[in-house]
Amino acid sequence: GEDVEQSLFLSVREGDSSVINCTYTDSSSTYLYWYKQEPGAGLQLLTYIFSNMDMKQDQRLTVLLNKKDKHLSLRIADTQTGDSAIYFCAETNNQGGKLIFGQGTELSVKP
Amino acid sequence: EAQVTQNPRYLITVTGKKLTVTCSQNMNHEYMSWYRQDPGLGLRQIYYSMNVEVTDKGDVPEGYKVSRKEKRNFPLILESPSPNQTSLYFCASSLRRAATDTQYFGPGTRLTVL
Repeated sequence: GEDVEQSLFLSVREGDSSVINCTYTDSSSTYLYWYKQEPGAGLQLLTYIFSNMDMKQDQRLTVLLNKKDKHLSLRIADTQTGDSAIYFCAETNNQGGKLIFGQGTELSVKP
Repeated sequence: EAQVTQNPRYLITVTGKKLTVTCSQNMNHEYMSWYRQDPGLGLRQIYYSMNVEVTDKGDVPEGYKVSRKEKRNFPLILESPSPNQTSLYFCASSLRRAATDTQYFGPGTRLTVL
């Protein structure tokens, strides 16, 4: 079935780059997303990538997709304390609608 | 401001006491859904609605009901809550059911069932 896996924790120093990894199993995944959840808040869409792309850059965020290995990563350059949050990887197929989420990676940024 | 609102934000109740969590969006979105978030499991879809009077089960629908009488509202009903429904609940909406349409999430409702 559909499954999305992420490591649960990542700790980095302010100013370093953070790389959050995600693997998925569904071959029919069409769009892959990264959401950010700050404490006490809902989920905010950070970025997404279509399955026929292998890279997308948006300011400090770089998304890399290896479709062969079903591996997605989110790189945050020059990580700031305000980036501390839980980051969720999610995927959906052509139909859209239902998102399949990973467990979330808690990013802790130390000054 | 475009948003998805949920009420209440926090709720503590007892087993068997019926409750409703409301969800409302002001973006004229057709597609709405409910998710629950549990530690180590991410978010899982409970129910979804393609439009008014059109609802269907998600991955974990047992113990829940929904209704969609108006486009803007999509309440989640727990007829007889049990402790295993203690969770963080999120409502989401998008313009249509399409992978290209951004899903907007509400702030969440933390439910504890004793």
